[in-house]
Amino acid sequence: DSGVTQTPKHLITATGQRVTLRCSPRSGDLSVYWYQQSLDQGLQFLIQYYNGEERAKGNILERFSAQQFPDLHSELNLSSLELGDSALYFCASAGSRFDYNQPQHFGDGTRLSIL
Amino acid sequence: AQSVTQLGSHVSVSEGALVLLRCNYSSSVPPYLFWYVQYPNQGLQLLLKYTSAATLVKGINGFEAEFKKSETSFHLTKPSAHMSDAAEYFCAVQTGANNLFFGTGTRLTVIP
Repeated sequence: DSGVTQTPKHLITATGQRVTLRCSPRSGDLSVYWYQQSLDQGLQFLIQYYNGEERAKGNILERFSAQQFPDLHSELNLSSLELGDSALYFCASAGSRFDYNQPQHFGDGTRLSIL
Repeated sequence: AQSVTQLGSHVSVSEGALVLLRCNYSSSVPPYLFWYVQYPNQGLQLLLKYTSAATLVKGINGFEAEFKKSETSFHLTKPSAHMSDAAEYFCAVQTGANNLFFGTGTRLTVIP
């Protein structure tokens, strides 16, 4: 058990809809990272938050957004969903802002299926 | 920019045989490198990390990796494969923004 909790585990929805994925980091971790894992793109970094502030952006679509709340949990919002958004979405957390050499701990992911 | 390349998307070994999963990195600065394992329907679990303290890094479950600067490699090995090692393995490098850049993964099959 990594200590990172993601809900829901599975999500099935239709094109054009909007969903919210939730992540609770390990106790004490201030950084939250979101990754997308798909068959064609592999594992890609989407976005990072540190203590409530956006710190880094990767290959995140404009239809996607995220935030980190005062209690440090994070939500990833996906809107105007397309078939290609079907993927496994992972959240990871790490201890400090200066995460050099600190490993990221991953949740079990949310599997999003777009019908 | 930092990146990693994993050679071989699928590797099959017999139970008890040596496991060798290849990873090469590209980085203009000393890299921080990681190996993660993903079991079916699970998240990624850290196997080991290289942070320049020692070139030979020992991880969990009997895995180890050697950092070779001259070859820009960080290959993962295990002397004797076990059935429970069947999983997908990802090499990753920490980028300047602290996020991880992952390789494309290597699926390890262990043949009884």
